[in-house]
Amino acid sequence: QKEVEQNSGPLSVPEGAIASLNCTYSDRGSQSFFWYRQYSGKSPELIMSIYSNGDKEDGRFTAQLNKASQYVSLLIRDSQPSDSATYLCAVNTYNTDKLIFGTGTRLQVFP
Amino acid sequence: GAVVSQHPSWVICKSGTSVKIECRSLDFQATTMFWYRQFPKQSLMLMATSNEGSKATYEQGVEKDKFLINHASLTLSTLTVTSAHPEDSSFYICAPRDRVSYEQYFGPGTRLTVT
Repeated sequence: QKEVEQNSGPLSVPEGAIASLNCTYSDRGSQSFFWYRQYSGKSPELIMSIYSNGDKEDGRFTAQLNKASQYVSLLIRDSQPSDSATYLCAVNTYNTDKLIFGTGTRLQVFP
Repeated sequence: GAVVSQHPSWVICKSGTSVKIECRSLDFQATTMFWYRQFPKQSLMLMATSNEGSKATYEQGVEKDKFLINHASLTLSTLTVTSAHPEDSSFYICAPRDRVSYEQYFGPGTRLTVT
């Protein structure tokens, strides 16, 4: 079992819809959770961080964390074509000093 | 906030030469710096972790004598690819971690092509 798992996609949604990206992790000791966006040919960009159970909203983005079920998700409301990118889930545990990344979900928002 | 610069953004060099990549956190301090490599259409691969003033810790399979990392200050780290070969051609990305927020930000990356 991979430490951080994401569906590779592509996830295709129409413009204006809600895109839902999911991520599961294996280490129950995980404490910090991050979502990065990576456009093709560019480096990743941090868009959300979440540390406690529940929802965290920032503009059109909402991160949801459920530690009991070991999943973290990212919702993008009113999706725009400019949101088309690969979204990377990353998890940090107490015992390691580095982020463990999923392989990413490719999101396509079509007009 | 959270601005990271990386220089050069792209470089072409001949096989056997060395290339130095510089990474700076411009508006935050980073006690820890991560260096990644990414091949086309592949996932990020962590190469090494360095703490300011200490020797870097390299991931399995990454040659420490080939990829020299210096983390001299809380805002500057360098990666030197020594005796570069075509198989070292890749996208190298630094990622300093903010010492206050503990969030990790990525530099814009350096695209290295070895001919």
